Amino acid sequence: ETGVTQTPRHLVMGMTNKKSLKCEQHLGHNAMYWYKQSAKKPLELMFVYSLEERVENNSVPSRFSPECPNSSHLFLHLHTLQPEDSALYLCASSQDRATNQPQHFGDGTRLSIL
Amino acid sequence: QQQVKQSPQSLIVQKGGISIINCAYENTAFDYFPWYQQFPGKGPALLIAIRPDVSEKKEGRFTISFNKSAKQFSLHIMDSQPGDSATYFCAASGGSNYKLTFGKGTLLTVNP
Repeated sequence: ETGVTQTPRHLVMGMTNKKSLKCEQHLGHNAMYWYKQSAKKPLELMFVYSLEERVENNSVPSRFSPECPNSSHLFLHLHTLQPEDSALYLCASSQDRATNQPQHFGDGTRLSIL
Repeated sequence: QQQVKQSPQSLIVQKGGISIINCAYENTAFDYFPWYQQFPGKGPALLIAIRPDVSEKKEGRFTISFNKSAKQFSLHIMDSQPGDSATYFCAASGGSNYKLTFGKGTLLTVNP
């Protein structure tokens, strides 16, 4: 298996549920990212991990909690979400955090909050 | 200063025509300008990228034109095909900031 794999592809949850999104990269990269994609808005960077250390938290509410247990896996734990959190959540990876390193994206998890 | 402004929001082109998408930026420290292509149900995929030391880069039917003085760059798709129908995002990064700043995207439809 190659590339960046995200599971689940679709998730519907109530505002009081707890769920987790999973991302796995098979590219040997050292940096991993979480993005939020909403209609008619630019991709919003949420978190960045480099060598399993969180290096960026882009003012994301605490109801989103990332975890990076190793350089191949990234999780986004969700708790007490709001309807405005409904969006496509994308995971990406790159060789490192240099500016000219291409980011490889997964196909995302489509999240719907009831 | 971190914004990247992309236009048009949507574009309809006939098969065989030229599709042109434009982006403008303000941060003069940006030195890496990629374009991403996203099909429905898929994540964005890197299409082509340019650095400011060249004014043009071509890969197959896709060309980036870069105007450093105007702080603008554009994507040209020659001989557009229905299979090119997708959303295209420009982005930029550079200086001390490795993070990509994305445009809002352009939905391209190529009619057969």
